[in-house]
Amino acid sequence: QVQLVESGGGVVQPGRSLRLSCATSGFTFNRNAMHWVRQAPGKGLEWVAVTSYDGSNQYYADSLKGRFTISRDNSKNTLHLQMNSLRIEDTAVYYCAKDLANSGSVEYWGQGTLVIVSS
Amino acid sequence: QSALTQPPSVSAAPGQRVTISCSGSSSNIGRNHVCWYQQFPGMAPKLLIYDSNKGFSVISERFSGSKSGTSATLTITGLQTGDEADYYCAAWDSSLSVTMFGGGTKLTVL
Repeated sequence: QVQLVESGGGVVQPGRSLRLSCATSGFTFNRNAMHWVRQAPGKGLEWVAVTSYDGSNQYYADSLKGRFTISRDNSKNTLHLQMNSLRIEDTAVYYCAKDLANSGSVEYWGQGTLVIVSS
Repeated sequence: QSALTQPPSVSAAPGQRVTISCSGSSSNIGRNHVCWYQQFPGMAPKLLIYDSNKGFSVISERFSGSKSGTSATLTITGLQTGDEADYYCAAWDSSLSVTMFGGGTKLTVL
């Protein structure tokens, strides 16, 4: 049974940094690409980034390039999202998600962790 | 990076059939498979349809998907009040190397 458990969310001031983590189990982590997707309050889903199964490639939403960094630790079956220079508009629920057969689509989702950027 | 285009809302009566469209371009839907997701308020999305037309896991056969050219469609038959949710389409964009989501469609079962 695939399990994705996000952590690290909370309230942070604009301009500060935050690091999200996602602990995974129930599948072979080092064989699957992984995504972060976010959802602002009352809004739709917004794709954030994806990392390849071995961490050699990362792709980002244009609007987030340079501020967010996706990474993974295959020895610990864990995914991370480093978020720098946070803005009010980064307030959202952040979902960790498992890729579907390295297709670029999302198969399984975590329950999400809420990030609130506020002064 | 523009999102895939979905109608903001659709509605139909219980027992009826509803379709939700998703429009993209040659670099995303035109080239890659489409997924559909169902999301209830306060919950994480769940995969309904993958590879454009395959039902995922134990999804009801009332849900089906199709794709033609640069557009995709989610069809729900025998509507139930429990189907009221937000529905999103998504596809990988091969030119931009990003995953694109539709803006979401709110389904109301009248």
